[in-house]
Amino acid sequence: EVQLLESGGGLVQPGGSLRLSCAASGFTFGTYTMTWVRQAPGRGLEWVSAISAGGWTTFYADSVKGRFTISRDNSQNTLFLHLTSLRAEDTAIYYCAKDPDPRNVVVAATHFDYWGQGTLVTVSS
Amino acid sequence: QSVLTQPPSASGTPGQRVTISCSGSSSNIGSNFVYWYQQLPGMAPKLLIYRINQRPSGVPDRFSGSKSGTSASLAISGLRSEDEADYYCAAWDDNLNGGVFGTGTKVTVL
Repeated sequence: EVQLLESGGGLVQPGGSLRLSCAASGFTFGTYTMTWVRQAPGRGLEWVSAISAGGWTTFYADSVKGRFTISRDNSQNTLFLHLTSLRAEDTAIYYCAKDPDPRNVVVAATHFDYWGQGTLVTVSS
Repeated sequence: QSVLTQPPSASGTPGQRVTISCSGSSSNIGSNFVYWYQQLPGMAPKLLIYRINQRPSGVPDRFSGSKSGTSASLAISGLRSEDEADYYCAAWDDNLNGGVFGTGTKVTVL
């Protein structure tokens, strides 16, 4: 059974940093593109960042470019999102999501067959 | 700010057909596949339609998707109370070099 379990969320002050993790199981993690999607309280979904299966290629939304870094450790079946220079508008539930097709390149990372339950990041003083 | 525009709400009585539109541009819907997600209250989103009009196993055939030019639509026929949820379209944007979601539509079963 495919499982994605996010962790690392919490309360952080503006300008602070946080590292989110997504522990994957039930599939060959290292052969799938992975993506982070967030949802501010009471708001819609926002695509954040994607990383290719091997970790060589990354993509970011303009709203987080230069502040967030996506990475993965395929030996540990874990996806990461390092958040820095955090702002109030980064407050959201952060979901990790899996691409359904095994491949080495990122192809239109908006097709997700599995999602985690999300981890809440709150940026406030 | 979302680049895919959806109506904020849609509603119908049980058994009716409801259609949700998703308006984009040539750099996203016009040149890439469209995906639809259903989000029940307090839950993670769930894939409903992929590659414009394909249903994952387990999704009832009451749900269907279509695309014309730079717009896409999701239709729910035979509306049921369990269809009350938020619905989002999504597509890759070649100009942004990233994914984009629609603004979301809340479906209410009257």
